Amino acid sequence: GDSVTQMEGPVTLSEEAFLTINCTYTATGYPSLFWYVQYPGEGLQLLLKATKADDKGSNKGFEATYRKETTSFHLEKGSVQVSDSAVYFCALIRNTGGFKTIFGAGTRLFVKA
Amino acid sequence: EPEVTQTPSHQVTQMGQEVILRCVPISNHLYFYWYRQILGQKVEFLVSFYNNEISEKSEIFDDQFSVERPDGSNFTLKIRSTKLEDSAMYFCASREVSEQYFGPGTRLTVT
Repeated sequence: GDSVTQMEGPVTLSEEAFLTINCTYTATGYPSLFWYVQYPGEGLQLLLKATKADDKGSNKGFEATYRKETTSFHLEKGSVQVSDSAVYFCALIRNTGGFKTIFGAGTRLFVKA
Repeated sequence: EPEVTQTPSHQVTQMGQEVILRCVPISNHLYFYWYRQILGQKVEFLVSFYNNEISEKSEIFDDQFSVERPDGSNFTLKIRSTKLEDSAMYFCASREVSEQYFGPGTRLTVT
């Protein structure tokens, strides 16, 4: 079945460091790919998305490129801030059937001042 | 900007009691979903709902769960006899075309 695998956390970085959170997926067809962010005690916020191969999603300095050849959607940010501390979920929606969202396990990011 | 809303934000109940979690999807959306996140774990799909019937459900969604769209705006998840392991955050989502919009969640605590 469809699945999403993302790097285990926690990831601890100093402020202004470069961030990469790896995400790979398994799905039939051409899913849409998403990154969600969950701040402590809050719900899920859509961070960015990409709906087809080679699309780049970006928001708030975060970027991710849909790579069909490597089935990956790695999240990157050039300079993290303390306020970026949160849990990040990679997810996919297969564009057939019920369109349910399949989430990765989440990666917790801690950014130190 | 339209958003999905959920009530209550936090529900505490005793084991064996029935609970109803409520969601108001975005008004022109036709597809509705419930997901569950046990504390510190991944978000898991429970059920999808379209045209007044369940279109897909996971193995988690057993006979103690039910969903309903009782009127034109609400979408509810009922747990008939809660267990300790039902303690989790429950997220509602709705969809128009491809992207799902998630509500803020209801934290259910079963004691």
